[in-house]
Amino acid sequence: DTGVSQNPRHKITKRGQNVTFRCDPISEHNRLYWYRQTLGQGPEFLTYFQNEAQLEKSRLLSDRFSAERPKGSFSTLEIQRTEQGDSAMYLCASSQTLAGGTDTQYFGPGTRLTVL
Amino acid sequence: AQKVTQAQTEISVVEKEDVTLDCVYETRDTTYYLFWYKQPPSGELVFLIRRNSFDEQNEISGRYSWNFQKSTSSFNFTITASQVVDSAVYFCALSGFSSNTGKLIFGQGTTLQVKP
Repeated sequence: DTGVSQNPRHKITKRGQNVTFRCDPISEHNRLYWYRQTLGQGPEFLTYFQNEAQLEKSRLLSDRFSAERPKGSFSTLEIQRTEQGDSAMYLCASSQTLAGGTDTQYFGPGTRLTVL
Repeated sequence: AQKVTQAQTEISVVEKEDVTLDCVYETRDTTYYLFWYKQPPSGELVFLIRRNSFDEQNEISGRYSWNFQKSTSSFNFTITASQVVDSAVYFCALSGFSSNTGKLIFGQGTTLQVKP
């Protein structure tokens, strides 16, 4: 039984570089979420996929950010032209849609991004 | 607008003491879900409990118990006979039915330190 996995766990990059993170959800889960967490704060929603369709994006997700979930399996989150303000923990979560209810999201270990 | 407030930033107790973590929420939805997650130093968010707005029964799971009161919009979490392993950041979260995506709105978290 495997949970949500994320790679890499840590990423250090220089300002202006592009970075890409990967999330592998729990295998039968059709919903996938990305959140961002800065120091001392709770996670903030970034975007949501149901299967391969990206159905919601937060205003936090500037045009430098793009997320994909090809074939409704793993997902990638790319940040172009990174800025120091992008330094944060990027969390991925997955869940399985329940009829008539809100499902429980299970989180991965996160990718900690440091932009120098 | 939906909001979760965890007014206690940090709590420090001595092992075996009982401790209550407060959570107050705001939502206009009549159907909503409340969650508690634990984030140990390793960083991964661990699911503890989900409650829907129609179920006000309190719940007990081992040393953990939850008190849901719609009248005061609160969903408090009590740890009985705390242990050092309970040291972590605890997040309360809300998902309103109107969002359709199940995205979570988190509070800022309460850091619990249990001293031996």
